Amino acid sequence: QKEVEQDPGPLSVPEGAIVSLNCTYSNSAFQYFMWYRQYSRKGPELLMYTYSSGNKEDGRFTAQVDKSSKYISLFIRDSQPSDSATYLCAMSEGDSGGGADGLTFGKGTHLIIQP
Amino acid sequence: ETGVTQTPRHLVMGMTNKKSLKCEQHLGHNAMYWYKQSAKKPLELMFVYNFKEQTENNSVPSRFSPECPNSSHLFLHLHTLQPEDSALYLCASSQVTATDTQYFGPGTRLTVL
Repeated sequence: QKEVEQDPGPLSVPEGAIVSLNCTYSNSAFQYFMWYRQYSRKGPELLMYTYSSGNKEDGRFTAQVDKSSKYISLFIRDSQPSDSATYLCAMSEGDSGGGADGLTFGKGTHLIIQP
Repeated sequence: ETGVTQTPRHLVMGMTNKKSLKCEQHLGHNAMYWYKQSAKKPLELMFVYNFKEQTENNSVPSRFSPECPNSSHLFLHLHTLQPEDSALYLCASSQVTATDTQYFGPGTRLTVL
């Protein structure tokens, strides 16, 4: 069983639509949840960061975490063509005895916003 | 230069070559990471350095050899690679106390012939 499941898409929606991107996971020890955006030929860029369950909003972006269901979501309101990219969810346990800890990623969802 | 930089951006090498990838971070971080990104697969963590000490080697073959001379620089030495090692190699950095917010470089696109 894979640790983090994410539909690779592509997901194509018209400009202005609300976009919903999701990941599920199996490791109940994950406490920190991130969304990265990756444009073609670029490295991933940190978009949203959430600790434990709850919602976090930043402009047109809202991240939701439901630890009881092991399910996280990213919503994009008023989507723009410039939002077209691959969106990667990432997670970590966050408790590595004070040392650095790598992230566990989903495969990424390729999002296309049609003008 | 700002953020995390990686050189070269593209590399083509034969299976018998030896090459090195370089990463430099200008963020004052003290933890650095190597990830591998292959088509249709999640990013895979390869190595973690914590205050210049390697703390994780994620079952990576010995043909990949990391080096971290200081907290700002990270290298990945490559030798006798296989075609299946062709991928985008990404470097990231963070504070040790905030490893959940990692900042990535643009990556090196490696092709092994």
